[in-house]
Amino acid sequence: ETGVTQSPTHLIKTRGQQVTLRCSSQSGHNTVSWYQQALGQGPQFIFQYYREEENGRGNFPPRFSGLQFPNYSSELNVNALELDDSALYLCASSRGPGTGEGGELFFGEGSRLTVL
Amino acid sequence: AQSVAQPEDQVNVAEGNPLTVKCTYSVSGNPYLFWYVQYPNRGLQFLLKYITGDNLVKGSYGFEAEFNKSQTSFHLKKPSALVSDSALYFCAVRDMRGYQKVTFGIGTKLQVIP
Repeated sequence: ETGVTQSPTHLIKTRGQQVTLRCSSQSGHNTVSWYQQALGQGPQFIFQYYREEENGRGNFPPRFSGLQFPNYSSELNVNALELDDSALYLCASSRGPGTGEGGELFFGEGSRLTVL
Repeated sequence: AQSVAQPEDQVNVAEGNPLTVKCTYSVSGNPYLFWYVQYPNRGLQFLLKYITGDNLVKGSYGFEAEFNKSQTSFHLKKPSALVSDSALYFCAVRDMRGYQKVTFGIGTKLQVIP
C-alpha cells in the first residue's frame, strides 16, 4: 500500500510570489484534504477535494486554491505569498464521504514553506 | 462549529507509569473522535478513533482512549509509558454529518522521562 507523498519537502519564497505544492494520495483513497500547521499550532483545515471538486473549505482567503486530478492526486496553490503563510503544509488522504469508516486521515510528511 | 480543547501544553510522566493526555470536544451532532501523533518534523500518524459502540477504544502502540459523552471528553491513555512515546499528540473531531472537515486541537507534548 503506497502512502501519501508530498513535494517539495522544503522551499523558500519571497513575499508576493506564488507557490504550488503537490500531493499523491494513498492507494484506494479518493479524498484529499490540505492543512496548514503553523509553528506550535495544530493543523488548520484549508480545504478538501472529492471527485475533483472542492468539498469544503476552512477560513482561508481565495488566494489559497487547489486542484484534484483524475488519479486523486492534488495540488495546493498559494498566490501573493505573505510572511504569515510560513508553515508546514500537510496533505491527507482518506476514503470518501459516506463510507461509514469515520474518515480517518492519512498524512504525508508535509511541505515546509518559508516566506521571506 | 466544532472545536477541540487540549488543556495541557505538556505532560511529563516517568517511564513505566500510566499516562493520560486530556481532550474535550464540542460538535453539534454525534462526533467522530481521533487521536494522532506527530514526531519532530514529520506528518501526523493516526492512532485511534471512536465512531460508535464501546466507549473504550484501542489503537496503535498500546494506546487506548475513553469516550465520555456526558463530559464531552476523549482522553488518551496508556498503561505503561515508553521513552519512545515522547511526541506531540493531537486530538481531533468531526461531525458525522456532511463532509469530512476534521478539527484539531493545539496539541499536547508528551515527555516520558527515563
